[in-house]
Amino acid sequence: AQSVSQHNHHVILSEAASLELGCNYSYGGTVNLFWYVQYPGQHLQLLLKYFSGDPLVKGIKGFEAEFIKSKFSFNLRKPSVQWSDTAEYFCAVKPNQAGTALIFGKGTTLSVSS
Amino acid sequence: DVKVTQSSRYLVKRTGEKVFLECVQDMDHENMFWYRQDPGLGLRLIYFSYDVKMKEKGDIPEGYSVSREKKERFSLILESASTNQTSMYLCASRPGQANEKLFFGSGTQLSVL
Repeated sequence: AQSVSQHNHHVILSEAASLELGCNYSYGGTVNLFWYVQYPGQHLQLLLKYFSGDPLVKGIKGFEAEFIKSKFSFNLRKPSVQWSDTAEYFCAVKPNQAGTALIFGKGTTLSVSS
Repeated sequence: DVKVTQSSRYLVKRTGEKVFLECVQDMDHENMFWYRQDPGLGLRLIYFSYDVKMKEKGDIPEGYSVSREKKERFSLILESASTNQTSMYLCASRPGQANEKLFFGSGTQLSVL
């Protein structure tokens, strides 16, 4: 079965620090990759997605992610975090195959102190 | 804007009760999903549906069933609620294309006592 691993359960940073959240998946075929964010008390919302083309994708609020096929990874990055980035971040993978659904990682809680 | 509406924000039920969680989307999406979200476990897929009257088991279907009689509505049913089903339940929908994002409802926090 497909799975998604997020390396960090809880990350604590100061404002202006750089962020990298790890995500690895297990699936040998073609995949679509997503990062979702859930701010406190709010819906899950899409940060960015990759399905083909340039492996470096840019999302909202200055986030970007790089798909490295050989490493089965899709790490999320931001050069300088803000207090408002405090949230839970979920990596998700959708095998490009009929009859499959989006599988989520366990999430990483990011706490940014001002 | 796509709207995914879950009928209840908070629900408290007793062990053994039959529980219905309703989800309606207004954008004619083919695909609908039920996840549960638990601290430290992320989102886990319970059931999903790619079309009316069609359903597929996700990773944790035990103790749940679903119904999709109309395209816009996807119901999650707990046949006999148990305390380990206390959780936040999230409904989501998506158009037919695999690379499209999910649209989530605001969730139903179910407590089973």
